[in-house]
Amino acid sequence: KQEVTQIPAALSVPEGENLVLNCSFTDSAIYNLQWFRQDPGKGLTSLLLIQSSQREQTSGRLNASLDKSSGRSTLYIAASQPGDSATYLCAVSDSGYALNFGKGTSLLVTP
Amino acid sequence: DAGVIQSPRHEVTEMGQEVTLRCKPISGHDYLFWYRQTMMRGLELLIYFNNNVPIDDSGMPEDRFSAKMPNASFSTLKIQPSEPRDSAVYFCASRFSGGYGYTFGSGTRLTVV
Repeated sequence: KQEVTQIPAALSVPEGENLVLNCSFTDSAIYNLQWFRQDPGKGLTSLLLIQSSQREQTSGRLNASLDKSSGRSTLYIAASQPGDSATYLCAVSDSGYALNFGKGTSLLVTP
Repeated sequence: DAGVIQSPRHEVTEMGQEVTLRCKPISGHDYLFWYRQTMMRGLELLIYFNNNVPIDDSGMPEDRFSAKMPNASFSTLKIQPSEPRDSAVYFCASRFSGGYGYTFGSGTRLTVV
Protein backbone atom coordinates (compact mmCIF):
# COMPACT_ATOMS: atom_id res chain seq x y z
CA LYS A 1 0.00 0.00 0.00
CA GLN A 2 1.30 3.41 -0.95
CA GLU A 3 2.43 5.42 2.10
CA VAL A 4 2.84 9.18 1.83
CA THR A 5 4.80 11.14 4.42
CA GLN A 6 5.12 14.90 4.76
CA ILE A 7 7.83 16.69 6.67
CA PRO A 8 7.71 18.92 8.61
CA ALA A 9 4.28 18.54 10.20
CA ALA A 10 4.26 22.24 11.05
CA LEU A 11 6.29 25.23 9.98
CA SER A 12 6.35 28.88 11.00
CA VAL A 13 8.25 31.45 8.95
CA PRO A 14 8.40 35.24 8.75
CA GLU A 15 6.86 36.92 5.75
CA GLY A 16 9.10 37.12 2.72
CA GLU A 17 11.02 33.91 3.31
CA ASN A 18 11.35 31.22 0.69
CA LEU A 19 10.40 27.78 1.98
CA VAL A 20 10.32 24.13 1.00
CA LEU A 21 7.77 21.51 1.96
CA ASN A 22 8.71 17.88 1.57
CA CYS A 23 6.73 14.81 0.55
CA SER A 24 7.94 11.23 0.26
CA PHE A 25 6.18 8.13 -0.99
CA THR A 26 7.03 4.45 -0.76
CA ASP A 27 6.06 3.10 -4.18
CA SER A 28 7.67 4.86 -7.14
CA ALA A 29 5.18 3.43 -9.65
CA ILE A 30 2.93 6.43 -9.51
CA TYR A 31 0.61 7.92 -12.10
CA ASN A 32 0.77 11.49 -10.83
CA LEU A 33 1.35 13.60 -7.72
CA GLN A 34 -0.65 16.60 -6.61
CA TRP A 35 -0.24 19.34 -4.05
CA PHE A 36 -3.35 20.74 -2.39
CA ARG A 37 -4.01 23.58 -0.02
CA GLN A 38 -6.55 23.32 2.79
CA ASP A 39 -7.76 26.33 4.76
CA PRO A 40 -9.35 25.77 8.19
CA GLY A 41 -12.90 24.50 7.90
CA LYS A 42 -12.70 24.41 4.12
CA GLY A 43 -12.25 21.85 1.39
CA LEU A 44 -9.12 21.20 -0.61
CA THR A 45 -7.88 23.38 -3.42
CA SER A 46 -5.60 21.88 -6.03
CA LEU A 47 -2.35 23.81 -6.47
CA LEU A 48 -0.14 21.81 -8.80
CA LEU A 49 -0.26 18.43 -10.52
CA ILE A 50 2.83 16.64 -11.80
CA GLN A 51 2.48 13.72 -14.17
CA SER A 52 4.81 10.76 -13.65
CA SER A 53 6.73 11.71 -16.79
CA GLN A 54 7.34 15.27 -15.62
CA ARG A 55 10.00 16.65 -13.26
CA GLU A 56 8.36 19.87 -12.15
CA GLN A 57 5.44 22.25 -12.46
CA THR A 58 5.22 25.95 -11.70
CA SER A 59 2.36 28.28 -10.90
CA GLY A 60 3.16 31.81 -9.84
CA ARG A 61 5.25 31.68 -6.67
CA LEU A 62 4.83 27.91 -6.37
CA ASN A 63 7.11 25.29 -7.84
CA ALA A 64 6.68 21.56 -7.33
CA SER A 65 9.30 18.99 -8.26
CA LEU A 66 9.10 15.24 -8.57
CA ASP A 67 11.83 12.62 -8.29
CA LYS A 68 10.11 9.29 -8.81
CA SER A 69 13.22 7.17 -8.40
CA SER A 70 13.82 8.48 -4.90
CA GLY A 71 10.14 8.72 -4.04
CA ARG A 72 10.23 12.43 -3.27
CA SER A 73 8.51 15.66 -4.14
CA THR A 74 9.04 19.18 -2.90
CA LEU A 75 6.82 22.24 -2.95
CA TYR A 76 8.78 25.47 -3.08
CA ILE A 77 7.01 28.68 -2.08
CA ALA A 78 8.83 31.88 -2.96
CA ALA A 79 8.49 35.15 -1.05
CA SER A 80 5.94 33.78 1.40
CA GLN A 81 2.96 35.92 2.46
CA PRO A 82 0.57 35.70 5.42
CA GLY A 83 -2.13 34.63 2.97
CA ASP A 84 -0.10 31.49 2.29
CA SER A 85 -0.89 30.26 5.81
CA ALA A 86 -2.75 26.98 5.43
CA THR A 87 -2.21 23.24 5.48
CA TYR A 88 -0.48 21.86 2.41
CA LEU A 89 -1.26 18.29 1.42
CA CYS A 90 0.63 16.02 -0.92
CA ALA A 91 -1.33 13.29 -2.70
CA VAL A 92 -0.11 10.45 -4.87
CA SER A 93 -2.19 8.55 -7.41
CA ASP A 94 -1.15 5.05 -8.42
CA SER A 95 -3.97 4.54 -10.89
CA GLY A 96 -4.84 8.02 -12.03
CA TYR A 97 -8.02 8.02 -9.99
CA ALA A 98 -7.89 7.47 -6.22
CA LEU A 99 -5.52 9.69 -4.23
CA ASN A 100 -3.30 8.68 -1.30
CA PHE A 101 -2.72 11.67 0.95
CA GLY A 102 0.00 12.62 3.37
CA LYS A 103 -1.05 14.14 6.68
CA GLY A 104 0.00 17.60 5.58
CA THR A 105 2.27 20.42 6.63
CA SER A 106 0.64 23.23 8.58
CA LEU A 107 2.24 26.50 7.48
CA LEU A 108 2.07 29.78 9.36
CA VAL A 109 3.54 32.89 7.77
CA THR A 110 3.87 35.70 10.26
CA PRO A 111 3.79 39.38 9.26
CA ASP B 1 -21.00 25.68 -11.68
CA ALA B 2 -21.42 25.83 -7.90
CA GLY B 3 -18.79 23.18 -7.35
CA VAL B 4 -19.21 19.99 -5.34
CA ILE B 5 -22.03 20.49 -2.87
CA GLN B 6 -22.17 18.58 0.38
CA SER B 7 -24.87 18.58 2.99
CA PRO B 8 -25.20 19.02 5.86
CA ARG B 9 -22.12 21.10 6.74
CA HIS B 10 -22.29 19.99 10.34
CA GLU B 11 -24.02 17.04 11.93
CA VAL B 12 -24.20 16.16 15.60
CA THR B 13 -25.86 12.89 16.44
CA GLU B 14 -26.12 10.43 19.28
CA MET B 15 -24.38 7.09 19.23
CA GLY B 16 -26.52 4.44 17.60
CA GLN B 17 -28.39 6.82 15.31
CA GLU B 18 -28.35 6.60 11.53
CA VAL B 19 -26.47 9.36 9.70
CA THR B 20 -26.76 10.19 6.00
CA LEU B 21 -24.31 12.49 4.27
CA ARG B 22 -25.10 13.86 0.83
CA CYS B 23 -23.06 14.96 -2.16
CA LYS B 24 -23.84 16.58 -5.48
CA PRO B 25 -20.87 16.35 -7.86
CA ILE B 26 -20.03 18.76 -10.63
CA SER B 27 -22.16 18.19 -13.70
CA GLY B 28 -20.26 16.15 -16.27
CA HIS B 29 -17.84 14.63 -13.81
CA ASP B 30 -17.96 10.85 -14.03
CA TYR B 31 -15.86 9.99 -10.97
CA LEU B 32 -17.02 10.56 -7.40
CA PHE B 33 -14.94 9.96 -4.28
CA TRP B 34 -15.73 9.87 -0.56
CA TYR B 35 -12.89 10.65 1.86
CA ARG B 36 -12.72 10.85 5.64
CA GLN B 37 -10.33 13.18 7.48
CA THR B 38 -9.22 12.78 11.09
CA MET B 39 -6.30 14.22 12.99
CA MET B 40 -4.85 10.78 13.64
CA ARG B 41 -5.18 9.23 10.20
CA GLY B 42 -5.38 12.22 7.84
CA LEU B 43 -7.41 11.86 4.64
CA GLU B 44 -8.49 8.31 3.84
CA LEU B 45 -10.33 7.14 0.75
CA LEU B 46 -13.52 5.34 1.66
CA ILE B 47 -15.04 4.54 -1.73
CA TYR B 48 -15.18 5.80 -5.27
CA PHE B 49 -17.62 5.51 -8.15
CA ASN B 50 -17.27 5.68 -11.92
CA ASN B 51 -20.43 6.36 -13.90
CA ASN B 52 -22.46 5.67 -10.75
CA VAL B 53 -20.90 2.22 -10.24
CA PRO B 54 -18.79 1.55 -7.14
CA ILE B 55 -15.25 0.72 -8.23
CA ASP B 56 -13.31 0.37 -4.98
CA ASP B 57 -14.90 0.22 -1.54
CA SER B 58 -11.94 -1.33 0.23
CA GLY B 59 -11.58 1.76 2.40
CA MET B 60 -15.03 1.47 3.91
CA PRO B 61 -14.22 0.72 7.54
CA GLU B 62 -16.95 -1.79 8.28
CA ASP B 63 -20.45 -2.92 7.44
CA ARG B 64 -21.93 0.02 9.28
CA PHE B 65 -20.88 2.20 6.35
CA SER B 66 -22.64 2.14 2.98
CA ALA B 67 -22.57 4.41 -0.04
CA LYS B 68 -24.83 4.76 -3.03
CA MET B 69 -24.90 6.74 -6.21
CA PRO B 70 -28.39 6.37 -7.70
CA ASN B 71 -27.68 8.85 -10.50
CA ALA B 72 -24.93 11.05 -11.88
CA SER B 73 -25.89 14.02 -9.76
CA PHE B 74 -26.28 12.54 -6.30
CA SER B 75 -24.49 10.29 -3.84
CA THR B 76 -25.03 9.37 -0.21
CA LEU B 77 -22.81 7.97 2.51
CA LYS B 78 -24.74 6.32 5.31
CA ILE B 79 -23.54 5.20 8.74
CA GLN B 80 -25.83 2.92 10.69
CA PRO B 81 -25.44 2.67 13.64
CA SER B 82 -23.07 5.57 14.26
CA GLU B 83 -20.32 5.41 16.89
CA PRO B 84 -18.16 8.12 18.51
CA ARG B 85 -15.10 6.92 16.55
CA ASP B 86 -16.90 7.87 13.34
CA SER B 87 -16.50 11.53 14.28
CA ALA B 88 -14.53 13.13 11.45
CA VAL B 89 -14.84 15.44 8.47
CA TYR B 90 -16.21 13.63 5.44
CA PHE B 91 -15.31 15.01 2.02
CA CYS B 92 -16.81 14.30 -1.34
CA ALA B 93 -14.80 14.99 -4.51
CA SER B 94 -15.46 14.59 -8.20
CA ARG B 95 -13.44 14.65 -11.38
CA PHE B 96 -13.82 14.15 -15.11
CA SER B 97 -12.10 11.14 -16.63
CA GLY B 98 -10.87 13.29 -19.52
CA GLY B 99 -8.92 15.58 -17.20
CA TYR B 100 -6.78 15.40 -14.09
CA GLY B 101 -8.20 17.91 -11.67
CA TYR B 102 -10.22 17.03 -8.60
CA THR B 103 -12.84 19.28 -7.07
CA PHE B 104 -13.53 18.82 -3.39
CA GLY B 105 -16.63 19.82 -1.49
CA SER B 106 -16.41 21.81 1.73
CA GLY B 107 -16.98 18.70 3.80
CA THR B 108 -19.41 17.53 6.46
CA ARG B 109 -18.15 17.69 10.03
CA LEU B 110 -19.73 14.75 11.86
CA THR B 111 -19.75 14.54 15.63
CA VAL B 112 -21.15 11.43 17.29
CA VAL B 113 -21.74 11.81 21.03
